[in-house]
Amino acid sequence: DVKVTQSSRYLVKRTGEKVFLECVQDMDHENMFWYRQDPGLGLRLIYFSYDVKMKEKGDIPEGYSVSREKKERFSLILESASTNQTSMYLCASSLWASGGALYEQYFGPGTRLTVT
Amino acid sequence: EDQVTQSPEALRLQEGESSSLNCSYTVSGLRGLFWYRQDPGKGPEFLFTLYSAGEEKEKERLKATLTKKESFLHITAPKPEDSATYLCAAGSGTYKYIFGTGTRLKVLA
Repeated sequence: DVKVTQSSRYLVKRTGEKVFLECVQDMDHENMFWYRQDPGLGLRLIYFSYDVKMKEKGDIPEGYSVSREKKERFSLILESASTNQTSMYLCASSLWASGGALYEQYFGPGTRLTVT
Repeated sequence: EDQVTQSPEALRLQEGESSSLNCSYTVSGLRGLFWYRQDPGKGPEFLFTLYSAGEEKEKERLKATLTKKESFLHITAPKPEDSATYLCAAGSGTYKYIFGTGTRLKVLA
């Protein structure tokens, strides 16, 4: 069974704080993703990584950075948290696409971040 | 622009009352159509992947089908434990998954 874990289920931070969200997957997947999920907006991609130290910006990368030092671990960093970053953050992993097909993503339980 | 639209936004069914959820997609070069179930406060749980028009996948009371423009998730004789939000996503390019906003399903006992 694929397992994706996230460091915190709930987090409350103050405006201006630096925030670290960690994600670990145990299935040796090449791809890892960070999304945020807001009511009415669906899942929006923040960053994607396809290998150690490799990353691609998603649709909404502003105010975020990422780090992938080991294949199984992908971290999301909010350099200076703001109230509009209050959201549900979801990490996912998948196998690298091959033969013209993408593979299913496996999601972690999510981190509900509140910035006050 | 790549887009995925799910309908209806919300659906209430009586236990045993079969129905279908719709996922319409506009994607250049579909590389997979994915269905997920999401319970409140949790991450999405993978259900099905479909790759070709005409393909069908089944699991318990759920069956997913795919055409060139849309996918359906058919729920046969649902039970209260099927209550959840169902998400679909269209795969495009090397890593893009375009998600719909989901259908909130409530099954009443």
